[in-house]
Formats: sequence, structure tokens, C-alpha cells
Amino acid sequence: DAKTTQPNSMESNEEEPVHLPCNHSTISGTDYIHWYRQLPSQGPEYVIHGLTSNVNNRMASLAIAEDRKSSTLILHRATLRDAAVYYCILRDGGGKLIFGQGTELSVKP
Amino acid sequence: DAGVIQSPRHEVTEMGQEVTLRCKPISGHNSLFWYRQTMMRGLELLIYFNNNVPIDDSGMPEDRFSAKMPNASFSTLKIQPSEPRDSAVYFCASSFGWNSYNEQFFGPGTRLTVL
Repeated sequence: DAKTTQPNSMESNEEEPVHLPCNHSTISGTDYIHWYRQLPSQGPEYVIHGLTSNVNNRMASLAIAEDRKSSTLILHRATLRDAAVYYCILRDGGGKLIFGQGTELSVKP
Repeated sequence: DAGVIQSPRHEVTEMGQEVTLRCKPISGHNSLFWYRQTMMRGLELLIYFNNNVPIDDSGMPEDRFSAKMPNASFSTLKIQPSEPRDSAVYFCASSFGWNSYNEQFFGPGTRLTVL
């Protein structure tokens, strides 16, 4: 499975936008880019996914570089509830989610 | 829908005892996944099923671990005999389909402590 690289931690202020980067230079043409997050003491939850085009949903936006070697998860207005570990994952067929270490996001009031 | 249901939520047992973790996937989902999370190794996929059939069990640590899915609404993960290094949070997840674009829904996890 192709590997992703994320910063270990990031900080944000409440009600400000947050941009969480992910590098995936070995991505293949059929890999989907998925983002999950894990709030403290909870199971992971799906955030968003995309293949080539930018994607928006009620939780976040996903911006994918033109060469697909990097992507950015955008939280438009961070809240305290968004403090979590965010995982960027590549999936190529099948059901496997291979979790890396993720980015621990802290949100300051 | 109640989401993915796992039981028990917490389990404390002694080394050598048999442990059985249970999972009820979301109704209508046909893929089920078992993960384990520890501080040292993070989140690891242990095994997954599609239409009740095990597809990939390469993540199962050793023969002490076994998983079954007797029907579409129930799965178990059994550890026999348990060891202290099995202490972890075990998550079950389900999805409708197992393609690379399907969202997985995770349960709340079972925190296992083996003394």
C-alpha cells in the first residue's frame, strides 16, 4: 500500500480555518484518498474522500493537488469538538484501511 | 440506526483466560473489519469479512486469535489463551461493500486488559 506522510501535530484557534496537509508521492492512479478522524476515547469516523477532484461535504473540504502527490483537508471553522487525530489514508481496491500515525489537532479557545 | 455495536465495552481478564469480543454491524452492511489499537503500534487491521467470508486475515497476530462471522449480523473475535500483550482497544467496523471508496463505520471499541 502506498504510504502517506503527515505532521505529527498541529494547533489551531477556535473558529479559524485549519489546513491539514498530507503527502503521498507514491500514489497510484487508482488510489482513493481518504480522511478519517478519531476523537478522544472513540472509534475512528469517516471525514471525506476523493480521487482527483476537490470534494466538499458538511464536515470538511478536500483539496487534491493536480499531480495527486499531496492533499489538504480543510476544516473551515475549527471548533473545540474538532480536536482529534486526523488520518490520511490511501486505498487501492479491497477494503483495507491502513492507518498511519496521523496528525493530532488541538484547538485552542 | 444504532450504528456498529460492540460488547463488552470493557473487559478485564487474567492471563491464560479465553476472551470473546462481539460485534453487530450496521444492518445491510456486507463487509466487516476487526482492528486493534495500541500506543505502540497504532491502529492495525486484523481481519476482514465480505458477505460473511474471511477475505484477509494476514493481520491476525498468531494462532491464539480467531474470528468468525456466522451470519450477516454478528461476528466474534476470540483470544485463547490471552496474554498481557493483547491488552488494547479492539474496534469493529462495517461498510456496504469493500471497494476503495466505501466509507467504514466504526464501533465504540472494546478496551481489553489482560493482567
